Amino acid sequence: QKEVEQDPGPLSVPEGAIVSLNCTYSNSAFQYFMWYRQYSRKGPELLMYTYSSGNKEDGRFTAQVDKSSKYISLFIRDSQPSDSATYLCAMTQGGGRGSRLTFGEGTQLTVNP
Amino acid sequence: DGGITQSPKYLFRKEGQNVTLSCEQNLNHDAMYWYRQDPGQGLRLIYYSQIVNDFQKGDIAEGYSVSREKKESFPLTVTSAQKNPTAFYLCASSSVVGQETQYFGPGTRLLVL
Repeated sequence: QKEVEQDPGPLSVPEGAIVSLNCTYSNSAFQYFMWYRQYSRKGPELLMYTYSSGNKEDGRFTAQVDKSSKYISLFIRDSQPSDSATYLCAMTQGGGRGSRLTFGEGTQLTVNP
Repeated sequence: DGGITQSPKYLFRKEGQNVTLSCEQNLNHDAMYWYRQDPGQGLRLIYYSQIVNDFQKGDIAEGYSVSREKKESFPLTVTSAQKNPTAFYLCASSSVVGQETQYFGPGTRLLVL
């Protein structure tokens, strides 16, 4: 069983919809959680970074972490066609110089105008 | 303009040939990483380096080699022992303890002739 599970999609929504992207994990030692956005044939770019359980908001994006359920989510409000990309969750135990990240497989999102 | 650069953008390998992918960063980051991305499999860690002149194998190191002679540079060689090298290769870097996020370069796509 993989340490991090992420529904690969594809997910297709109309413009303006609220999008929910999710990951579950099995390693309770994970403490740091990230969401990356990757456009086709490009390198991933960091979207959100959270440390503790709870919500973190940045513009139209909200990251949610529930450590008790080992579940993280990324919500996108008022989705735009420019949000069409693959979204990768990543997490790490941290605490060391250059910590290894464990990634989900990525969810491919298309926002239709 | 700080960031991570990878070259070339596309690389073609002939049978039995070793090829080297370049990764340079001017972020003054201590740690650097190489990932391989295949469709439907997310990012898999090949090698990582936490400090100059030291590096560790990741999850899929067979058929690859690296060096870390300078803080800014972490080249990856795909050797002839790697039988299935066709993939998208991503280099990343991160700062010291307390900065768990990794920042990615634009990637190199390796194709076999």
